Amino acid sequence: KNEVEQSPQNLTAQEGEFITINCSYSVGISALHWLQQHPGGGIVSLFMLSSGKKKHGRLIATINIQEKHSSLHITASHPRDSAVYICAVRFGNQFYFGTGTSLTVIP
Amino acid sequence: DAGVTQSPTHLIKTRGQQVTLRCSPKSGHDTVSWYQQALGQGPQFIFQYYEEEERQRGNFPDRFSGHQFPNYSSELNVNALLLGDSALYLCASSLPGIHDNEQFFGPGTRLTVL
Repeated sequence: KNEVEQSPQNLTAQEGEFITINCSYSVGISALHWLQQHPGGGIVSLFMLSSGKKKHGRLIATINIQEKHSSLHITASHPRDSAVYICAVRFGNQFYFGTGTSLTVIP
Repeated sequence: DAGVTQSPTHLIKTRGQQVTLRCSPKSGHDTVSWYQQALGQGPQFIFQYYEEEERQRGNFPDRFSGHQFPNYSSELNVNALLLGDSALYLCASSLPGIHDNEQFFGPGTRLTVL
């Protein structure tokens, strides 16, 4: 049983498209993280949120605590957005990660 | 600020051997977590160190052990390596506390067990 589920697993988009990646979790959490992982392994933290919505540039993250669901949106997608996007939740001192959504943006 | 650093970047070992991976946290951080990421999978939590002690542990066997030094750097040791231990090992550091804190990840060490 995976505490964190992401969808879709793979996503291909044309440059400029609006992209949505979804994350559902089953445990009570204090915060949810969206991470970006590029080929080669490096992970960058994009957002940490516990309620509502956050925006950074073309990236928007929302969370609904009651429904245990979060979404990551990318507006005006660009080939440099191609990466794996991972949702992670913290329950106590432990992090649970989704398996990631592999995004490819085609020029 | 160098951020989180890990060494080595790549490592090849054979079954049964032992390996030590190293991590230096971001400046000002004193909590270090280790993760194993198999190919195509999300990271799996191994354990977390704070104040030189293991504070929390994931579902990994005792072959996986760690250590944190007074300067907050940390080591991950894996004994009796199995083929299935081949993975990217990620270290992340954060500030301590009961409130959630952002984790900063290192570039990882890619371990291949032959």
